[in-house]
Amino acid sequence: GQSLEQPSEVTAVEGAIVQINCTYQTSGFYGLSWYQQHDGGAPTFLSYNALDGLEETGRFSSFLSRSDSYGYLLLQELQMKDSASYFCAVRWVSGGGADGLTFGKGTHLIIQP
Amino acid sequence: EAQVTQNPRYLITVTGKKLTVTCSQNMNHEYMSWYRQDPGLGLRQIYYSMNVEVTDKGDVPEGYKVSRKEKRNFPLILESPSPNQTSLYFCASTLREGTDTQYFGPGTRLTVL
Repeated sequence: GQSLEQPSEVTAVEGAIVQINCTYQTSGFYGLSWYQQHDGGAPTFLSYNALDGLEETGRFSSFLSRSDSYGYLLLQELQMKDSASYFCAVRWVSGGGADGLTFGKGTHLIIQP
Repeated sequence: EAQVTQNPRYLITVTGKKLTVTCSQNMNHEYMSWYRQDPGLGLRQIYYSMNVEVTDKGDVPEGYKVSRKEKRNFPLILESPSPNQTSLYFCASTLREGTDTQYFGPGTRLTVL
């Protein structure tokens, strides 16, 4: 089976930097994604890591260490609009051809002025 | 405009009355999924499809059926809904190349009485 762990809630200050961690236990690991979801909305894609290292997209960066089964999402220059839930998700591929996506339970990010 | 559409957006029904939630995408993606989202549990994959006539179970398939007769459509069928299927449902379509970006529909809020 697949399982992911991420903190349920993180609080940070506007303008600061915050890191949201994600650890996973997966067989057939293929890649790690991050999604943002505002209250009442649909999840939107932020980033994807298939290889070790850091991927940067504007104020958001994502890191993956396959050997540690660990990744994180880094948000810089926090803005009030970044208040949302953030989900990590593992893509896994089995030898039998199954190709699924398992999400973590989400981290609620609260931004304080 | 690239999009995933779902209908209906809201539905209240009674136990045992068959229902179908439609999902359509205009991006020519091969991979499509259905998720349910419940408080504290994150997004859980119900079924996915890697191509026309190819479907497979996700993490929580019990009580659901899907079909994929055309590339653009991926309906979710509840043959005999029960109250524990009350949830927020998302359809998603994935570009299985490069960044593995998944596009979500707006969601369907289902209540089974």
